[in-house]
Amino acid sequence: KNEVEQSPQNLTAQEGEFITINCSYSVGISALHWLQQHPGGGIVSLFMLSSGKKKHGRLIATINIQEKHSSLHITASHPRDSAVYICAVRGSQGNLIFGKGTKLSVKP
Amino acid sequence: NAGVMQNPRHLVRRRGQEARLRCSPMKGHSHVYWYRQLPEEGLKFMVYLQKENIIDESGMPKERFSAEFPKEGPSILRIQQVVRGDSAAYFCASSLNSKETQYFGPGTRLLVL
Repeated sequence: KNEVEQSPQNLTAQEGEFITINCSYSVGISALHWLQQHPGGGIVSLFMLSSGKKKHGRLIATINIQEKHSSLHITASHPRDSAVYICAVRGSQGNLIFGKGTKLSVKP
Repeated sequence: NAGVMQNPRHLVRRRGQEARLRCSPMKGHSHVYWYRQLPEEGLKFMVYLQKENIIDESGMPKERFSAEFPKEGPSILRIQQVVRGDSAAYFCASSLNSKETQYFGPGTRLLVL
């Protein structure tokens, strides 16, 4: 079993839909990251959180430390949101352990 | 303030050659991480360096791979005697310290023929 599990693996949505991507982890962490990787391959850090909830524009990330679970929500989705979304947890040394990613495709 | 820079962006090598990948962290960042993304696979940690020191190299293959982050200049990931299985995207990230957000470079795509 992977230390970081994401679901779903693939997600297709219609423009405007509310999207949720889930991440569960089995190790102790100091923080959790949500990353976005576009088809060109570049990686952008969306959120780093260790408790509660963070919001940036149409993106919301939550984490429940007791349940070892985090969610990334996208409100009013748009085709430009199409990308791979990656959950990563930070271990005690600072390095990241990654989930396999969720490939999101938003259709117009 | 420029972001994390990596060069080259694309590198083609023949089997047996050496590959040198460079990473210049964001200004003020002294912590550098190298990650590898094999085709159709997720990202995997390779090595974590702080200026002139290797903090954690638990993700580095034992042979042919080495990394450094000298006092002056970029961090270098060096792969000797490359094999086809080394073909991957290599990403560098930097941070202010081990607790702050990591910012990723654009990656170097290595193709071994």
